[in-house]
Amino acid sequence: SQTIHQWPATLVQPVGSPLSLECTVEGTSNPNLYWYRQAAGRGLQLLFYSVGIGQISSEVPQNLSASRPQDRQFILSSKKLLLSDSGFYLCAWTTGGLWTGELFFGEGSRLTVL
Amino acid sequence: KQEVTQIPAALSVPEGENLVLNCSFTDSAIYNLQWFRQDPGKGLTSLLLIQSSQREQTSGRLNASLDKSSGRSTLYIAASQPGDSATYLCAVSGSRLTFGEGTQLTVNP
Repeated sequence: SQTIHQWPATLVQPVGSPLSLECTVEGTSNPNLYWYRQAAGRGLQLLFYSVGIGQISSEVPQNLSASRPQDRQFILSSKKLLLSDSGFYLCAWTTGGLWTGELFFGEGSRLTVL
Repeated sequence: KQEVTQIPAALSVPEGENLVLNCSFTDSAIYNLQWFRQDPGKGLTSLLLIQSSQREQTSGRLNASLDKSSGRSTLYIAASQPGDSATYLCAVSGSRLTFGEGTQLTVNP
């Protein structure tokens, strides 16, 4: 069966520090991968998506970036965190159509920037 | 642009009650609609996926219905239990995937 892992689960970082959140999917190949952010009391915001290795699409201009170095690995990064980067980051995958396949989420990574 | 609305934002019911959660969307040209559950501090768990050609989909005590022409989906939860307490989100699939902001459900013992 397919599983998705995200780490770290929680992270407290000072403003200006770098960030790396990692997501790995198991049990499937060539998934579409997504990074979402969920701010407190707000809905889900799509940050990045990827249809294949090295293929990254950005939805929101910001100081975050994403990379997909392997088929089932998706990384969210920042060189210098801002206070506004605090939130709950969710990785998701589908093997169906990019916007039409059944979507499955990881457990999330809670980032607090101080 | 698709807009998805979930009303009410929060709902509190006594245990054992049958309840309905609503999801409305503005563009009826959808491919499917997915219902998720989110427990506090956790990721989203897929509950039901209903295709545009389907009228309803069932899983245990959950039943999702879809009326494309009226731009509505409902999630029916039978005989609610305290363990059903969570936030329920719908996501509408079309040219993009659009999420509602969720309904926070509390089932009181």
